[in-house]
Amino acid sequence: NAGVTQTPKFRILKIGQSMTLQCAQDMNHNYMYWYRQDPGMGLKLIYYSVGAGITDKGEVPNGYNVSRSTTEDFPLRLELAAPSQTSVYFCASSYSEYETQYFGPGTRLLVL
Amino acid sequence: DQQVKQNSPSLSVQEGRISILNCDYTNSMFDYFLWYKKYPAEGPTFLISISSIKDKNEDGRFTVFLNKSAKHLSLHIVPSQPGDSAVYFCAASEGTGANNLFFGTGTRLTVIP
Repeated sequence: NAGVTQTPKFRILKIGQSMTLQCAQDMNHNYMYWYRQDPGMGLKLIYYSVGAGITDKGEVPNGYNVSRSTTEDFPLRLELAAPSQTSVYFCASSYSEYETQYFGPGTRLLVL
Repeated sequence: DQQVKQNSPSLSVQEGRISILNCDYTNSMFDYFLWYKKYPAEGPTFLISISSIKDKNEDGRFTVFLNKSAKHLSLHIVPSQPGDSAVYFCAASEGTGANNLFFGTGTRLTVIP
């Protein structure tokens, strides 16, 4: 049982480039989340999804886009990468909003 | 701005002793609190939680205490083991809703053998 998987583990981007962070879960969870963690800070919610086809903004959505075409996958798209998006990105999933969130191992992104 | 605060970035404890990790919050509407544990290069994993209707919850070596009047919670680990060395995040939520979980900045616990 893989749980929540994220790819890539690490990436360096140049300013203005774009990329997609991949997230997949095999637990048939309805809810999926993207967080970012900046050095010395807590995790902050970027976007979340309550099911396929339904997404909504979290606390820090600017500069990101998401889609949820299947229950399993929840990719995060960065358009026009900026140094302020240097962070560690965590994807998580849960069966419902009341249930514990399970996290992936994270993607470390460096924008130079 | 930071609604959940962990004021100690790091803590070192001898193996076998008690580890006490602290967390303060500012939003009196928070009614559910969680602790997550994170090892390097891994995602956070759920450790223990407590509802605001309780003041203590225990799970094996881990106990969480909640003091609502002080807006303070703490995680006690007894006895501490070297495998407990990790970063511990406190998190809190206000009611239901997928966008309602707020995390602290984390405390790095080192248990010295």
